[in-house]
Amino acid sequence: QKEVEQNSGPLSVPEGAIASLNCTYSDRGSQSFFWYRQYSGKSPELIMSIYSNGDKEDGRFTAQLNKASQYVSLLIRDSQPSDSATYLCAVNMRGAQKLVFGQGTRLTINP
Amino acid sequence: GAVVSQHPSWVICKSGTSVKIECRSLDFQATTMFWYRQFPKQSLMLMATSNEGSKATYEQGVEKDKFLINHASLTLSTLTVTSAHPEDSSFYICSAIFGGQGWGYTFGSGTRLTVV
Repeated sequence: QKEVEQNSGPLSVPEGAIASLNCTYSDRGSQSFFWYRQYSGKSPELIMSIYSNGDKEDGRFTAQLNKASQYVSLLIRDSQPSDSATYLCAVNMRGAQKLVFGQGTRLTINP
Repeated sequence: GAVVSQHPSWVICKSGTSVKIECRSLDFQATTMFWYRQFPKQSLMLMATSNEGSKATYEQGVEKDKFLINHASLTLSTLTVTSAHPEDSSFYICSAIFGGQGWGYTFGSGTRLTVV
């Protein structure tokens, strides 16, 4: 089982709709969770971080964490073509400094 | 805040030569930095973790004699790819932990290395 798993997609969503990205992780003791957006040829940029169970909202983005199910998700409301990118889920595992990344989900927003 | 500057953004070198990539934290002290490699259409693969003033910790399968990491100050870490070969061509990205409220990981802009 991979430490962090994402559906690699591609995920295609019409403009204005909600895009839902999912991620599961293997280490139950993981503490910190991050969503990054990466455009082709660029480095990742932080979208959201979440540390406790529940929802965290920032503008059009909502991160959801369920530690019991070892599941973290990212919702993008009112999707825009500029949201088209690869979204990386990253987890800071118990007792470690490093981030472990999922394989990324390629999201395409269709005008 | 929490900006990491990475240079060069791209480099082309001949097989057998060495290439140095620099990563600087501009507005914070980076005790811990990370170096990643990313191949096309793949995710980031952690190569090593470097802590200021100590030897880097390399991930399994990463040759420490080929990928030399130096983290001599709280604002600078370098990755040197020694005796580069075409298979070392990749996108190299550094990252650092920043502290305080809303702590997290910030990334450099990446270096595209092409070995010919």
